Amino acid sequence: QLQLQESGPGLVKPSETLSLTCTVSGGSISSSSHYWGWIRQPPGKGLEWIGSIFSSGSTYDNPSLRSRVTISVDTSKNQFSLNLSSVTAADTAVYYCARHKKQTGWYGPNWFDPWGQGTLVTVSS
Amino acid sequence: DIQMTQSPSTLSASVGDRVTITCRASETIGTSLAWYQQKPGKAPEFLIYEASSLETGVPSRFSGSGSGTEFTLTVSSLQPEDSATYYCQQYKTYPYIFGQGTKLEIK
Repeated sequence: QLQLQESGPGLVKPSETLSLTCTVSGGSISSSSHYWGWIRQPPGKGLEWIGSIFSSGSTYDNPSLRSRVTISVDTSKNQFSLNLSSVTAADTAVYYCARHKKQTGWYGPNWFDPWGQGTLVTVSS
Repeated sequence: DIQMTQSPSTLSASVGDRVTITCRASETIGTSLAWYQQKPGKAPEFLIYEASSLETGVPSRFSGSGSGTEFTLTVSSLQPEDSATYYCQQYKTYPYIFGQGTKLEIK
């Protein structure tokens, strides 16, 4: 059974870089035909897709965050990571990682399943 | 970017009721739509893909329909455990946008 787990600091100072890692178990990132994504949810608000990465390193990212987002993959550790630079209080959210499933024959990824449990990151001095 | 708009924002219904949530896309997306259920303090769970295909293990009282720009999620006989927020998500094209959510409450 595929499982994903986010890890990283729960508190980040304004203007600094938020760094999170997602560890995948029960399956291999490198042998998967799917993408791996990051989604966030500010307290009391809806879901915002941040970006997704393939095992080759190919990425899709949200244009609204592109200038601040770096997503990378480490297949040897079965992990993928998110760096979000120059954070402000508006970046305070629960950050989820998820498999971004790609249907056979599709060029890009489709839906998110399964999801990690999420980790709350607060931006505050 | 394709925008996704859900209605209503909040819905209150009784156990046993049939309820419907609507999701509208700002341009046609065919059937490239997924639905998720999120309970308080939990990660979203995947329910439906291709607008109407139920993921394995999802109760059959859930169903999805629609194509083009208008989609619905229906719960045929509401159960207490269905109290949650429901989100639609388009995957026709990048960026992958979610609707703003519909909170379903049990009376």
